[in-house]
Amino acid sequence: QITLKESGPTLVKPTQTLTLTCTFSGFSLSTSGVGVGWIRQPPGKALEWLALIYWDDDKRYSPSLKSRLTITKDTSKNQVVLTMTNMDPVDTATYYCAHQVFDCTNGVCYNWYFDLWGRGTLVTVSS
Amino acid sequence: QTVVTQEPSLTVSPGGTVTLTCASSTGAVTSGYYPNWFQQKPGQAPRALIYSTSNKHSWTPARFSGSLLGGKAALTLSGVQPEDEAEYYCLLYYGGVVVFGGGTKLTVL
Repeated sequence: QITLKESGPTLVKPTQTLTLTCTFSGFSLSTSGVGVGWIRQPPGKALEWLALIYWDDDKRYSPSLKSRLTITKDTSKNQVVLTMTNMDPVDTATYYCAHQVFDCTNGVCYNWYFDLWGRGTLVTVSS
Repeated sequence: QTVVTQEPSLTVSPGGTVTLTCASSTGAVTSGYYPNWFQQKPGQAPRALIYSTSNKHSWTPARFSGSLLGGKAALTLSGVQPEDEAEYYCLLYYGGVVVFGGGTKLTVL
């Protein structure tokens, strides 16, 4: 059974750096084809993809936020950490992590998806 | 910047059929974008419904189906139930960059 849980501060001040941790179980981030992504959702607004880390340590970032994001993994702890610098009130949102699968065989990729998500953690940016 | 566009809102009667679409600003959506669809109810995390255009997760009700339609990804709900009232999001994968659509609020009335 796959589960994911986000943790981190609920309140950060403008200009501070946010560090969020996704702690997961039921899968290994060293398994080929597996990844963990971060997605956020401001109150009343749409989902926004932030970052993704794959089993082979390949990292991908939203082009619009790339300069502020860093994603890392600790396979032994079953954790993925996202840092976002220079926080602003517009970054107030619920932050989710999700299990991701990239299903490829002999260089041909058949499936790419997020399936299971954490419950999310609300981060408020305010002085 | 790539934009993925969905209908802002749709209304359907219980028992009816409705199709939600997902368009890309780069052109026609193909299977190579691995369209994903998610359902989100108020106060809940998104729940995955469809992946890679038309594949269902083990928990996806049979009344949900995915396809490509007129250059867009599409999610069709057949025999809509009151509990299907929710926000629906599509996702497209652009070879390393992931973009969500703006969401469709589906009202069952």
